[in-house]
Amino acid sequence: QKEVEQNSGPLSVPEGAIASLNCTYSDRGSQSFFWYRQYSGKSPELIMSIYSNGDKEDGRFTAQLNKASQYVSLLIRDSQPSDSATYLCARTHSNYQLIWGAGTKLIIKP
Amino acid sequence: GAGVSQSPSNKVTEKGKDVELRCDPISGHTALYWYRQSLGQGLEFLIYFQGNSAPDKSGLPSDRFSAERTGGSVSTLTIQRTQQEDSAVYLCASSLGGANEKLFFGSGTQLSVL
Repeated sequence: QKEVEQNSGPLSVPEGAIASLNCTYSDRGSQSFFWYRQYSGKSPELIMSIYSNGDKEDGRFTAQLNKASQYVSLLIRDSQPSDSATYLCARTHSNYQLIWGAGTKLIIKP
Repeated sequence: GAGVSQSPSNKVTEKGKDVELRCDPISGHTALYWYRQSLGQGLEFLIYFQGNSAPDKSGLPSDRFSAERTGGSVSTLTIQRTQQEDSAVYLCASSLGGANEKLFFGSGTQLSVL
């Protein structure tokens, strides 16, 4: 059983709409969660990190964490074609390791 | 350097040959990770270096894989007697240390074993 689950997609969203990406995890002890964006053929880059229950906003991005239900979400408002990428969810496993989901491919259609 | 540098960017080799992949982390970053990513998959942890501490090698898939980090900076991942299932993108990342620190990734090495 994978420890971090993501729908592989592709998730297709029209330009200007809200894209909602979800991630569930199995370890209730996880403390920190991360969303990395990976363009095709490129390396992952950090978009958001979230440590506490609730919402965290940064520009067009909002991360939502619900530890009781063991899920973390990423909302992208006013989606742009440049947001088309694979979004990787990760959680802390130890004081230095991360456990990664397989990623959700997002396509923003103009 | 300005970012994490990996070389070569592409490596094509024949089954049974040895390969060396190089990673030059961001200056001052004490933590260095090697990951493997197969097509359409997430990141598979291989090995972790932190300063002068003993590395965590728990993710290395077999004894054909080894890695070293010299002087707390440059790291080399060596794969001996390559197999076709070793074909993947090998990513190196560095950080200031600790799982909550942002990881900075190199551009990766695409390894193809024929």
